[in-house]
Amino acid sequence: DAEITQSPRHKITETGRQVTLACHQTWNHNNMFWYRQDLGHGLRLIHYSYGVQDTNKGEVSDGYSVSRSNTEDLPLTLESAASSQTSVYFCASSKDHVLYEQYFGPGTRLTVT
Amino acid sequence: GENVEQHPSTLSVQEGDSAVIKCTYSDSASNYFPWYKQELGKRPQLIIDIRSNVGEKKDQRIAVTLNKTAKHFSLHITETQPEDSAVYFCAASKGGSYIPTFGRGTSLIVHP
Repeated sequence: DAEITQSPRHKITETGRQVTLACHQTWNHNNMFWYRQDLGHGLRLIHYSYGVQDTNKGEVSDGYSVSRSNTEDLPLTLESAASSQTSVYFCASSKDHVLYEQYFGPGTRLTVT
Repeated sequence: GENVEQHPSTLSVQEGDSAVIKCTYSDSASNYFPWYKQELGKRPQLIIDIRSNVGEKKDQRIAVTLNKTAKHFSLHITETQPEDSAVYFCAASKGGSYIPTFGRGTSLIVHP
């Protein structure tokens, strides 16, 4: 069955370190998204991609970057981790049509100490 | 851009009661309105959606209504059960963008 996976599921890192969170989907969706979820803020969009070599900034993109070298993967990199980036991160993908839902990965809980 | 307001932020009901969560949106061009359920420690998952050419949609104990004139849509859960306890998110999106705008979520607590 097609699915979307994230790794690692839990990560503890130190301030200033570079961290990469992986997202892999087998739906063959062109659209992929990264969100962070914090209490009181719901789901906030970090970056998104509409296809290979396409990346775009979301509402909270500062300190994060993504790259899209193939259809299946959209890794999220924290260039220099900060305590404010402690959060739960969700990757999602969707079909090439606005009238369809997003499929979310299981999430990665990141703690920056 | 689009703005989605969701109320209430917390809703507490007794098992068997009905629960209603309301969302309003600002962009009249929005035409797709999904609802996601997120259980504690899990991922958000679609439970029901509605498109702008439909006023109401039902799936067993859950239903969604849409009022395009007033720009609001609601989730209705009847005969609530403890397993309905979760955070529910509404969203709105439109043609030309694959990016939904999410509400901030409603924490539904169903007391046995």
